Amino acid sequence: EPEVTQTPSHQVTQMGQEVILRCVPISNHLYFYWYRQILGQKVEFLVSFYNNEISEKSEIFDDQFSVERPDGSNFTLKIRSTKLEDSAMYFCASSKNPGTSATDTQYFGPGTRLTVL
Amino acid sequence: AQTVTQSQPEMSVQEAETVTLSCTYDTSESDYYLFWYKQPPSRQMILVIRQEAYKQQNATENRFSVNFQKAAKSFSLKISDSQLGDAAMYFCAYRSVGKLIFGQGTELSVKP
Repeated sequence: EPEVTQTPSHQVTQMGQEVILRCVPISNHLYFYWYRQILGQKVEFLVSFYNNEISEKSEIFDDQFSVERPDGSNFTLKIRSTKLEDSAMYFCASSKNPGTSATDTQYFGPGTRLTVL
Repeated sequence: AQTVTQSQPEMSVQEAETVTLSCTYDTSESDYYLFWYKQPPSRQMILVIRQEAYKQQNATENRFSVNFQKAAKSFSLKISDSQLGDAAMYFCAYRSVGKLIFGQGTELSVKP
């Protein structure tokens, strides 16, 4: 069964450094998402992406964040200058459609644990 | 804005017994979808079950079923014949179009 993959599984970085988290969505999916989960807290939406454009973003997704689909398979989340509070699990998800029916399920990757020191 | 609330931070169930996890939500929309996701210690997000708001019939998926009360904006998850592998964090989620909105989660432990 096709699945969403994410690399790396764990990233440790120094405060102020740039990080790029990578995702490979399911191949025939067109809608892509990033979520984050601070340890012990709920999963929060960051951004959705379709047709090489951001569809929606949350208040968390400020100018320090950017997303890109550099080629036909990868979907990346860049944090330009990491802060301590960026430490979290980052999940990528993809779906075939934007969610006009329940079967347009968002499939999640295994996550990247980001630790900012 | 839509919100999702899970009022039970932790629940416990004996193996082979039944447990119900609660979820309430708030929305002004009439067309939406509700989900339960399971997050085991690996922290992978796994879809357990989904429900369309326009359907009156409660969704079932093997040992998992929901009690969807649209007027009360309630969406509980019932796990029957609980197994040790059911131990995980369970998140209720809402979606109209696009993003998922999650509740705070319920940590379920299963006692042998």
